[in-house]
Amino acid sequence: NAGVTQTPKFQVLKTGQSMTLQCAQDMNHNSMYWYRQDPGMGLRLIYYSASEGTTDKGEVPNGYNVSRLNKREFSLRLESAAPSQTSVYFCASSEYKGTSVIYEQYFGPGTRLTVT
Amino acid sequence: EDQVTQSPEALRLQEGESSSLNCSYTVSGLRGLFWYRQDPGKGPEFLFTLYSAGEEKEKERLKATLTKKESFLHITAPKPEDSATYLCAVQKDTGRRALTFGSGTRLQVQP
Repeated sequence: NAGVTQTPKFQVLKTGQSMTLQCAQDMNHNSMYWYRQDPGMGLRLIYYSASEGTTDKGEVPNGYNVSRLNKREFSLRLESAAPSQTSVYFCASSEYKGTSVIYEQYFGPGTRLTVT
Repeated sequence: EDQVTQSPEALRLQEGESSSLNCSYTVSGLRGLFWYRQDPGKGPEFLFTLYSAGEEKEKERLKATLTKKESFLHITAPKPEDSATYLCAVQKDTGRRALTFGSGTRLQVQP
């Protein structure tokens, strides 16, 4: 199993350009997440999808949109990139069987995005 | 406001020199506390989940413990391959799936 895969690994954008980060998982997990990681700030949740067909905002959703394409795939779109969106982006997935049980999240290798 | 604070920010050990990393948290209704390891340029790798105070989990040279206010990651006789950043995260007692992460402890083990 590949686990969680992300493309691309690296990207450089100019301010105002758009792009989509792709994420796929092969663990048959219901829930998927997008985080960003900035130095000294830890990982922060951008959006998540508890199950196929649902998405919800996380801590830092402004400037981003997401699409849960199917159970395996969850994409993150930057419509008009800004320098403040320079970061490392991680996708994660976990099992989900209702709010009474929690499961660990498994992370992809990350996408390193620079906006100039 | 939920907070997760990890200390120290960085730790340098000699091979075989045991130590502990700290994760203190202020979260109402803790459902679970997670420890992850992150190598440079990689995504976080899951290590442990702790659910309630008094619980302990072990894996090779690592042991994680949990109290009502903090968690410790004890590293016994570390090796250079244990060098990494160790992240702590908590999940609250709500329907949301968000994890709140600390900033991590960068561990360097010298031979």
